[in-house]
Amino acid sequence: DADVTQTPRNRITKTGKRIMLECSQTKGHDRMYWYRQDPGLGLRLIYYSFDVKDINKGEISDGYSVSRQAQAKFSLSLESAIPNQTALYFCATSDSGQAGYGYTFGSGTRLTVV
Amino acid sequence: GENVEQHPSTLSVQEGDSAVIKCTYSDSASNYFPWYKQELGKGPQLIIDIRSNVGEKKDQRIAVTLNKTAKHFSLHITETQPEDSAVYFCAASIGGFQKLVFGTGTRLLVSP
Repeated sequence: DADVTQTPRNRITKTGKRIMLECSQTKGHDRMYWYRQDPGLGLRLIYYSFDVKDINKGEISDGYSVSRQAQAKFSLSLESAIPNQTALYFCATSDSGQAGYGYTFGSGTRLTVV
Repeated sequence: GENVEQHPSTLSVQEGDSAVIKCTYSDSASNYFPWYKQELGKGPQLIIDIRSNVGEKKDQRIAVTLNKTAKHFSLHITETQPEDSAVYFCAASIGGFQKLVFGTGTRLLVSP
């Protein structure tokens, strides 16, 4: 099983619908992140959480919300999806206790808003 | 805020050639610089990283160099192979926190 699992892998939804993307991890990491990938724009941070009670906005949080249900689970919601939220979404984790700062990424969720 | 610029956006080389990807960053407090490789349909994977107290790091065919004064760092891949074809991202840490700002990516194509 993957260390960081994202569901669904692909999703097509209609404008105005609410949608939730889920992320779970078995790494035991305390820090979790949601990034969005668009062609030519790289990976941009939406939200991040350093522990269960900590939620922080990233550079592009407008139109998104998150919930850290447990140390291992971090979900991203689009309350009212719009077409320009069509993108590839990645969840990532890291461990504050390790000397390294490397992230472990999930395989991504490809979201299309029509 | 921190900004990371990455060049080139695409790079085509012949198998066996070397490939170099360059990044510049803006925050002088950045102290950690990882490189990620993203293959088609997969999430980015860490391939090498460097900290601000080190000028160069090598791991088999890949190496990273850091010039703190100029605020730039580079990825060097020698003896490229077709399986090196992927999108590569550089990143820089924001201050002392574990947040990373990513470059816009370089699509590397290695032709046999």
